[in-house]
Amino acid sequence: AQKVTQVQTEISVVEKEDVTLDCVYETRDTTYYLFWYKQPPSGELVFLIRRNSFDEQNEISGRYSWNFQKSTSSFNFTITASQVVDSAVYFCALSGRGSTLGRLYFGRGTQLTVWP
Amino acid sequence: EPEVTQTPSHQVTQMGQEVILRCVPISNHLYFYWYRQILGQKVEFLVSFYNNEISEKSEIFDDQFSVERPDGSNFTLKIRSTKLEDSAMYFCASRGTSGRNEQFFGPGTRLTVL
Repeated sequence: AQKVTQVQTEISVVEKEDVTLDCVYETRDTTYYLFWYKQPPSGELVFLIRRNSFDEQNEISGRYSWNFQKSTSSFNFTITASQVVDSAVYFCALSGRGSTLGRLYFGRGTQLTVWP
Repeated sequence: EPEVTQTPSHQVTQMGQEVILRCVPISNHLYFYWYRQILGQKVEFLVSFYNNEISEKSEIFDDQFSVERPDGSNFTLKIRSTKLEDSAMYFCASRGTSGRNEQFFGPGTRLTVL
């Protein structure tokens, strides 16, 4: 069974603070992919990153960074120096090899609010 | 940059009516998906589609739902007899055949069943 858990329902920070969004996953597949999507107030789902299970290197993209740790089944997302435009719901998702076309299993999302 | 488009952006219907939600995936993509998101909840998989066949469907995707690729560009989701609980945002997604397997989502159709 595939499962994604995002225990943080809502996080509020003040602009320029760093914030980490937690994601824990469960899967029996040895090959799987992890994703983060952003859903701004306008409602669309914006792809942020994909990680495969063989690549545990952390990744940085501008103010965004991701920490993948297989040992703890976690794929956490950090925003450095947050900005008001980062306010959105962030979803972590998992796709396993057990699914033919890679259906995504989403967590419940974390609502991030960045105050000016 | 190519994107997935969906129409309409908002659909209001009466309970028991049929609705068709339309999607135009990214043109060279071959894998297509529908997901839904009930207000305030997580995004849930409905169905995946490839080569004119359903590849996988969830328990939500019952006999009231069907999908079709009527031509080379559109991908539709039909709900035969809508229920109140079908009110949700419906997202279409598509994926290419390259090694990368991220799904690109459309902006969604908000379905309201009265």
